[in-house]
Amino acid sequence: NAGVMQNPRHLVRRRGQEARLRCSPMKGHSHVYWYRQLPEEGLKFMVYLQKENIIDESGMPKERFSAEFPKEGPSILRIQQVVRGDSAAYFCASSPTGFYGYTFGSGTRLTVV
Amino acid sequence: AQTVTQSQPEMSVQEAETVTLSCTYDTSESDYYLFWYKQPPSRQMILVIRQEAYKQQNATENRFSVNFQKAAKSFSLKISDSQLGDAAMYFCAYMYSGGGADGLTFGKGTHLIIQP
Repeated sequence: NAGVMQNPRHLVRRRGQEARLRCSPMKGHSHVYWYRQLPEEGLKFMVYLQKENIIDESGMPKERFSAEFPKEGPSILRIQQVVRGDSAAYFCASSPTGFYGYTFGSGTRLTVV
Repeated sequence: AQTVTQSQPEMSVQEAETVTLSCTYDTSESDYYLFWYKQPPSRQMILVIRQEAYKQQNATENRFSVNFQKAAKSFSLKISDSQLGDAAMYFCAYMYSGGGADGLTFGKGTHLIIQP
């Protein structure tokens, strides 16, 4: 079992470009969470998805950010027209039940230049 | 809304000694989970220990144990016989047990330094 796979591990984007972050949950896990970690901070919840559904997106900015978890394939966190303030580490976690059986990926570090 | 506070930005301990990391939280719920996560420089978030609020017995995992004081809303982590590999950021986290929405609420972390 390969665990939660996130790619890319590092991503550099210029201001105004789009960033696409991918998360493949553990086998058998249908619940995915995305978190953002700013420097010197803990992780902050962004969005919770089950297959093909967004359950809670209360932590995700209303503009420029979107997330999906299609029936087939990885979950995608998409950031349009990136700005310097989007620079952070983005983590994905998956769970079989939506409760406390979380496994985290190694994160994607996004740098906006 | 729930909050998690870690009042120690940094702690230092001699190898083989014992160290305690503090965490307090605020919630109006009675049933929830509490966690300690370790984040080494590799950035991987590693679950150290988990406590269910309805359990009075403190959780223990080898050298790691917690002191869970529900009335005081306190959840400290004790690391015994500290090892160099324990050096990392440690995050305390809370999750309401009524469902997965909102996910985990994290504190800002404590940077643990192990002195050889």
